[in-house]
Amino acid sequence: IAGITQAPTSQILAAGRRMTLRCTQDMRHNAMYWYRQDLGLGLRLIHYSNTAGTTGKGEVPDGYSVSRANTDDFPLTLASAVPSQTSVYFCASSSGSRPDTQYFGPGTRLTVL
Amino acid sequence: ELKVEQNPLFLSMQEGKNYTIYCNYSTTSDRLYWYRQDPGKSLESLFVLLSNGAVKQEGRLMASLDTKARLSTLHITAAVHDLSATYFCAVDWAGGTSYGKLTFGQGTILTVHP
Repeated sequence: IAGITQAPTSQILAAGRRMTLRCTQDMRHNAMYWYRQDLGLGLRLIHYSNTAGTTGKGEVPDGYSVSRANTDDFPLTLASAVPSQTSVYFCASSSGSRPDTQYFGPGTRLTVL
Repeated sequence: ELKVEQNPLFLSMQEGKNYTIYCNYSTTSDRLYWYRQDPGKSLESLFVLLSNGAVKQEGRLMASLDTKARLSTLHITAAVHDLSATYFCAVDWAGGTSYGKLTFGQGTILTVHP
């Protein structure tokens, strides 16, 4: 079934540890995105990639990095996790052209202690 | 900085009633999306509105966009329990021929009671 997969589903992490959240899509979409969802704040864009080999910063990029080595994968790395990064993380993808609906993965629930 | 505000944030409705969720945004944009999220689940796309005056309908939900007023509405007709969920609007601030830079509203938690 076509779509977006994310791993892990959930994770508890000690502060200061490094963590990579994985995202893979099989829809051959050009664009991919990472959001975090916090209660009362909706979703906020962390980083995006319009096409393989390029990335850009969203609203809340600090403390996160991404790479886009190929079309399908868009990992998000927390170099040194802090408790304020406790959140639910969603990866999304879109074709990159009008109407450019974004399709979301199932999410990763991350707790940083 | 683009701000997107939804109201109400909480909506408790009786089955069979009508109601409207409002989405106001602060910067010019002609691209607005509505999503639905069930508890503990991912987001599901409902509507894409890409021009002033756009109106889309699916079942008991109808969405509209007024770019001059910077306002979108999501109207619920004759609510049923299955519509209970959180509804988000999102505005694309990319501009020009680029897409995909979404700013989301806070979400409206809708509960439909018998």
